[in-house]
Amino acid sequence: GENVEQHPSTLSVQEGDSAVIKCTYSDSASNYFPWYKQELGKRPQLIIDIRSNVGEKKDQRIAVTLNKTAKHFSLHITETQPEDSAVYFCAGGSQGNLIFGKGTKLSVKP
Amino acid sequence: NAGVTQTPKFQVLKTGQSMTLQCAQDMNHEYMSWYRQDPGMGLRLIHYSVGAGITDQGEVPNGYNVSRSTTEDFPLRLLSAAPSQTSVYFCASSRTGPTSVHEQYFGPGTRLTVT
Repeated sequence: GENVEQHPSTLSVQEGDSAVIKCTYSDSASNYFPWYKQELGKRPQLIIDIRSNVGEKKDQRIAVTLNKTAKHFSLHITETQPEDSAVYFCAGGSQGNLIFGKGTKLSVKP
Repeated sequence: NAGVTQTPKFQVLKTGQSMTLQCAQDMNHEYMSWYRQDPGMGLRLIHYSVGAGITDQGEVPNGYNVSRSTTEDFPLRLLSAAPSQTSVYFCASSRTGPTSVHEQYFGPGTRLTVT
């Protein structure tokens, strides 16, 4: 089955800096890779996703890149703001099932 | 639309008790699923359903039962609660599955403690 590894587990940046979170996956059949943001005590919410036929996708300050050959994908947040502080989860899967990484706690210091 | 709703928000059970966590959605989504979230473990899929009358197991199904008699409802039953089932439980739904083009929406969660 699919296995998704996520690094780092914690990340601290200064406001205005960039943050990068990386994930690797094991199942070459996986074709969908979403990223979720979860604030403390709240539900996960989708922030961006990418499919295996696309190498990069951007939405304002966030972008995701996918390297199918190496089986890894990354989340990039530019010009970080204190409200970006949260836990971020990557996920990967196909055929209707998603496997989640263990999460990255991002802290943005003003 | 209320989206995905879950009840109760909090629950404390004693070991061996049974209970049902309720989940409902009003978006006419075919796909519904249950995850549990433990510290440092991310979200793990318990059971899922691709439509009324159809359910299947996820990563961690042991100790849990589900049924899907209607499109709207997807209850999760704990048959004999154990301390290892202490967790936050999230229900989620999407139009055609979490890897389709349609976004997966999560409910607010149920925090369960088993003593």
